[in-house]
Amino acid sequence: EPEVTQTPSHQVTQMGQEVILRCVPISNHLYFYWYRQILGQKVEFLVSFYNNEISEKSEIFDDQFSVERPDGSNFTLKIRSTKLEDSAMYFCASRLVDTQYFGPGTRLTVL
Amino acid sequence: AQSVTQPDIHITVSEGASLELRCNYSYGATPYLFWYVQSPGQGLQLLLKYFSGDTLVQGIKGFEAEFKRSQSSFNLRKPSVHWSDAAEYFCAVGLRGTASKLTFGTGTRLQVTL
Repeated sequence: EPEVTQTPSHQVTQMGQEVILRCVPISNHLYFYWYRQILGQKVEFLVSFYNNEISEKSEIFDDQFSVERPDGSNFTLKIRSTKLEDSAMYFCASRLVDTQYFGPGTRLTVL
Repeated sequence: AQSVTQPDIHITVSEGASLELRCNYSYGATPYLFWYVQSPGQGLQLLLKYFSGDTLVQGIKGFEAEFKRSQSSFNLRKPSVHWSDAAEYFCAVGLRGTASKLTFGTGTRLQVTL
């Protein structure tokens, strides 16, 4: 069964560094998403992406964040200058019609 | 703005006992409704979903959920819990159509005792 994959599974970085989290959505899906889950808290929406542009973003998704679909398969989330409070699990999701399917997540630790 | 409430943060049940996890939502219209499960260190796995039609929906692993419009609820049930069901369960809602985001509840952690 097709699934969403994410790399790396765990990323450790220093505050102020740039990180890129990578996702490979399910191949025929059209809508792509990033969510994050700070430890012990609920899953929060960051951004949705459709037809090569952002369709919606949350207040969390400020100028430090960007998304890109550089080719036909990858979907990336870039954090330009990481802060301590960016430490979280980041989930990618993709959707064809009505149901979002999630990847296993990338745990980002900012030191 | 839409919101999702899962009033039980932590539930403990004995293996073989029945289970009901509560979910209430606040929305302008009937949204799409989902239950996801997250095992320790794992991602979010879809258990079941409700879009329209029969208000009792069946999912994977023997779970079911009932949509009650009058109560704005979408409670998850299982008649007999297995130890492997220990996990965190999230209720989520989304707008019909569009590229809509999901709004998640805070989750219910299920512990199963043997």
